[in-house]
Amino acid sequence: QVQLQESGPGLVKPSQTLSLTCTVSGASISGGGYYWSWIRQHPGKGLEWIGYIYYNGNTYYNQSLKSRSTISLDRYKNQFSLNLTSVTAADTAVYYCVREKAIFGVATNCFDPWGQGTLVTVSS
Amino acid sequence: QSALTQPPSASGSPGQSVTISCTGSSSDVGGYDYVSWYQQHPGKAPKLMIYEVSARPSGVPDRFSGSKSGNTASLTISGLQTEDEADYYCSSYVGSNNFVVFGGGTKLTVL
Repeated sequence: QVQLQESGPGLVKPSQTLSLTCTVSGASISGGGYYWSWIRQHPGKGLEWIGYIYYNGNTYYNQSLKSRSTISLDRYKNQFSLNLTSVTAADTAVYYCVREKAIFGVATNCFDPWGQGTLVTVSS
Repeated sequence: QSALTQPPSASGSPGQSVTISCTGSSSDVGGYDYVSWYQQHPGKAPKLMIYEVSARPSGVPDRFSGSKSGNTASLTISGLQTEDEADYYCSSYVGSNNFVVFGGGTKLTVL
């Protein structure tokens, strides 16, 4: 059974960098066949895709967050991470790490499973 | 990239059927068969209910079904049960730089 678990600070100051890590168990992030994604949800609002990374290290980002986002892999720890720079209160959200199915390298918009999510608050 | 359009709310009585729509454009819903639906209970992570327009993951009851016509995808829940009360989100692959777009969500109430 594949499980994902987010970890990182729950409080970040404005203008600083938000850093989150997702630990994957039950599957290898180096095995191919999947993209490893970050999705966030503002309080009481809908879902927003941030970006994803393929097993070969190729990354794809939401255009609206691309300039501030970096997703990376740590194959040895079977983890992937999100860095979001220059945060403001508008980045306060629950952040989810999620696996997305790929077919012949094409992302299929099939997000499963999801981590439990972690609330990150941006405040001084 | 604009979010997909879903009705903010829907409702039905136990045993009835309800359909939730998700309208996009030819650049997303209408252009690809990579439409998925997610169920989210309060305080919980979303759960995949439908993928590739109409496929159901193992463990999802066959009361849940998906379809698509043109630029609009639909999720139908038949034989409503109280535990179906939740928020539902659609999502589509986008043939542009943004890759993924979600709907605004529909709050389903089982009366």
